[in-house]
Amino acid sequence: QKEVEQNSGPLSVPEGAIASLNCTYSDRGSQSFFWYRQYSGKSPELIMSIYSNGDKEDGRFTAQLNKASQYVSLLIRDSQPSDSATYLCAGAGAGSYQLTFGKGTKLSVIP
Amino acid sequence: GAVVSQHPSRVICKSGTSVKIECRSLDFQATTMFWYRQFPKKSLMLMATSNEGSKATYEQGVEKDKFLINHASLTLSTLTVTSAHPEDSSFYICSARGRIAGGPRVADTQYFGPGTRLTVL
Repeated sequence: QKEVEQNSGPLSVPEGAIASLNCTYSDRGSQSFFWYRQYSGKSPELIMSIYSNGDKEDGRFTAQLNKASQYVSLLIRDSQPSDSATYLCAGAGAGSYQLTFGKGTKLSVIP
Repeated sequence: GAVVSQHPSRVICKSGTSVKIECRSLDFQATTMFWYRQFPKKSLMLMATSNEGSKATYEQGVEKDKFLINHASLTLSTLTVTSAHPEDSSFYICSARGRIAGGPRVADTQYFGPGTRLTVL
C-alpha cells in the first residue's frame, strides 16, 4: 500500500527563521511530488512540484527530493506568520494521476 | 492559470434533500477531476476519480449511488449528494488535472477548487 508519512506537528518556528518540513514515501515507483499549503477552512493550494533528485527553489521555498532515501522536504526561508498553515506532501506514481497525500504538518510561525 | 472554481461555496440543507456541487476548470481542459471530502482537523479523503465522458471510479467505502458524479465536459464535473444526512456534513473539495499551455508539467498536477462546505440539518 502506498503511503506518505509526515510529522503531524505542530511545528513552531519564530518569525524570520527557516521552517523545515519533511516527508517520506513508501512507493519506490513514485515519480512526482507536490507540496500543498492548506489554511484552516480552505482548500489546498499548490506551492511546489518536484520531479528530479536535488533541490528546486521558488522564492522563499525550496523543495528537496532524494529518491534513494525516499525523502522529500520543503524549506521555507524567512518564515512569516502568514505561512502558518498545514502543509501537505503528496506523491504520484509513474503513469498514475492519483496523488497519495500525507496527513499534513501543521506549521505555526510565531511573531 | 490553473484556476478551478466550485459552486456553491457553502450550502445548508435539510436531511433527505439532494445537493449538487459543480466543479469547473476555468482556464484549462481537465482530463481528470477528483472529488475529496475532508472532516474537521482530518486529512483529505479521496472519494472518486472521474474522466470526461466515462463513469467515475469510486474509492472503497464510498457509495456510488449516494454520491453521483457526472463529468460531462472537459471543464465541468458535478457531485450530487443524494438524500443527504447530517453525517454527510463535510467540506467537499474537487481538483482537476490537465494541460496548461506554457505552464508547469501538468500531466500529474492537481489543482484544487476552493471547496464547498455542506451542512445537513
